[in-house]
Amino acid sequence: GENVEQHPSTLSVQEGDSAVIKCTYSDSASNYFPWYKQELGKRPQLIIDIRSNVGEKKDQRIAVTLNKTAKHFSLHITETQPEDSAVYFCAASKNSGTYKYIFGTGTRLKVLA
Amino acid sequence: DGGITQSPKYLFRKEGQNVTLSCEQNLNHDAMYWYRQDPGQGLRLIYYSQIVNDFQKGDIAEGYSVSREKKESFPLTVTSAQKNPTAFYLCASSQMYSNQPQHFGDGTRLSIL
Repeated sequence: GENVEQHPSTLSVQEGDSAVIKCTYSDSASNYFPWYKQELGKRPQLIIDIRSNVGEKKDQRIAVTLNKTAKHFSLHITETQPEDSAVYFCAASKNSGTYKYIFGTGTRLKVLA
Repeated sequence: DGGITQSPKYLFRKEGQNVTLSCEQNLNHDAMYWYRQDPGQGLRLIYYSQIVNDFQKGDIAEGYSVSREKKESFPLTVTSAQKNPTAFYLCASSQMYSNQPQHFGDGTRLSIL
């Protein structure tokens, strides 16, 4: 069935370093890839998304890259700060009429001060 | 996202009891979703609805029921048939065209007494 694999499950970086989280999807018809940030006990919040007609999108310190051939997409956070510490989820969906998301299992990012 | 309200924030269920979680949105979104999140895990889809008076099962619908009598409201009932209901429940909504982002409520944490 449809699947999204996310790696790593935990990631620790020093403040100011970069962090990269990778997701691989199985359904080649997927065409929309959002990333969510979830702080402990709170709602997931959309931080960036990308559609399959572009290969990269950037918003300040956050960027997402998409490789449709390899069926993977990555979240890049530069100049990490302690407030970036959270769990990050990737997801994939397609124009199937339902627009359901298939979520990755999450990455717990710890930014060490 | 202030447009989605979940209540209550915490809920306790006794053995054999059905409980209902509320989800209301004022974003005029057509689609609404219920997810279950277990500690350290991703989001699993319980039910979703794209239109009033219609809904579909997600990946883990057993032991749950929903209704969609109004566009703004999508309550979830956790029935006594759900033997392991302890989890964090998240409601989301989205527009129904061309892959729009899902917006989440603050969640309800359900525990067994």
